[in-house]
Amino acid sequence: EAGVVQSPRYKIIEKKQPVAFWCNPISGHNTLYWYLQNLGQGPELLIRYENEEAVDDSQLPKDRFSAERLKGVDSTLKIQPAELGDSAVYLCASSLESNTEAFFGQGTRLTVV
Amino acid sequence: DAKTTQPPSMDCAEGRAANLPCNHSTISGNEYVYWYRQIHSQGPQYIIHGLKNNETNEMASLIITEDRKSSTLILPHATLRDTAVYYCIVRPRLAAGNKLTFGGGTRVLVKP
Repeated sequence: EAGVVQSPRYKIIEKKQPVAFWCNPISGHNTLYWYLQNLGQGPELLIRYENEEAVDDSQLPKDRFSAERLKGVDSTLKIQPAELGDSAVYLCASSLESNTEAFFGQGTRLTVV
Repeated sequence: DAKTTQPPSMDCAEGRAANLPCNHSTISGNEYVYWYRQIHSQGPQYIIHGLKNNETNEMASLIITEDRKSSTLILPHATLRDTAVYYCIVRPRLAAGNKLTFGGGTRVLVKP
């Protein structure tokens, strides 16, 4: 069975440009997470979905970040406009339910220049 | 969520058991102990979790002290591929407010 799939794997953009990341969770998983991981640190939660509803987006910088999970399956995370400080790895994870173990994708490494 | 404390790094010898400690002295009765690891350039990987009983699976064993204030992850026969950052996480049992809060983890280097 395929795991969590993220694309692209790497992305380099100039500051002030928009960027989008895509995540396909494990089939049947209702809960989807987006995490941000800065170099040398542990991942930090940006947003959590239960099906198509964002139930925890308190850490998402809403002035430039947005996310959606249409039909409760795939999800996209967008940054517009990107800033130099947004350079990081963006991880997507999914779990069957919100209180079961989460499975992570390989992440998208974003570099803003 | 309860906070966890882990040593920042440790080395272990290939083929030997690796014992990774974690302190979680403020853990409450409805919180699980989860362990994840992150190999370089990959996403975190679930290892094991437990509430109060010791647990074992194909990857590792989890030993939780009787007072639940600390735990130890045991990799029985460490291999070079076990080199990774290991995260100990305390997570609420119930769905409400349920999320994985990662700390700094322990950077484990398995040496030949």
